[in-house]
Amino acid sequence: DGGITQSPKYLFRKEGQNVTLSCEQNLNHDAMYWYRQDPGQGLRLIYYSQIVNDFQKGDIAEGYSVSREKKESFPLTVTSAQKNPTAFYLCASSIHPPGELFFGEGSRLTVL
Amino acid sequence: GDSVTQMEGPVTLSEEAFLTINCTYTATGYPSLFWYVQYPGEGLQLLLKATKADDKGSNKGFEATYRKETTSFHLEKGSVQVSDSAVYFCAPPLYSSASKIIFGSGTRLSIRP
Repeated sequence: DGGITQSPKYLFRKEGQNVTLSCEQNLNHDAMYWYRQDPGQGLRLIYYSQIVNDFQKGDIAEGYSVSREKKESFPLTVTSAQKNPTAFYLCASSIHPPGELFFGEGSRLTVL
Repeated sequence: GDSVTQMEGPVTLSEEAFLTINCTYTATGYPSLFWYVQYPGEGLQLLLKATKADDKGSNKGFEATYRKETTSFHLEKGSVQVSDSAVYFCAPPLYSSASKIIFGSGTRLSIRP
């Protein structure tokens, strides 16, 4: 079955630590996206990538980094510079130019 | 610039009530329009879509008509169920030079038995 897989589903981290969230898709989509969702809030775009080896900042990129070395993979690193990292992180992909988005199940990060 | 305006929640209804969640947009041209649904603890999934003006998307008893003259894509359901409790997002793919997809704030729907 084609789809998007995010891991881990739940992650706990201590303050000052970097953590990397995995996102893998086998839909052969060119574009991939990372969104952040806070409780009771909508989605805010962190980073997006339209093609391998290229990515752009979204609305809230500070404290985050990404890479796009392979078409299937778009990992997100939450760095210690992110002051309020506790949130639900959603990865998505689409054809390019964008149409329907396909989402993963999400990763919930909690900073202790 | 392009933007989305979605009805704010939360919305609480009794089972079998009629549902409308409003969504309007401003965009260049006539993009495809989408409604997504997010069930508790899960990612978003596509609920329905319309690819051109006057199209009606439908799925699981939900409907939305792409109305060019009012730039609207309101979500409706004639008789809601408890299982429809979720957050609903209106999301036109806003074609800018950056090809970002911008979501509205979402509308939380709770259905009472």
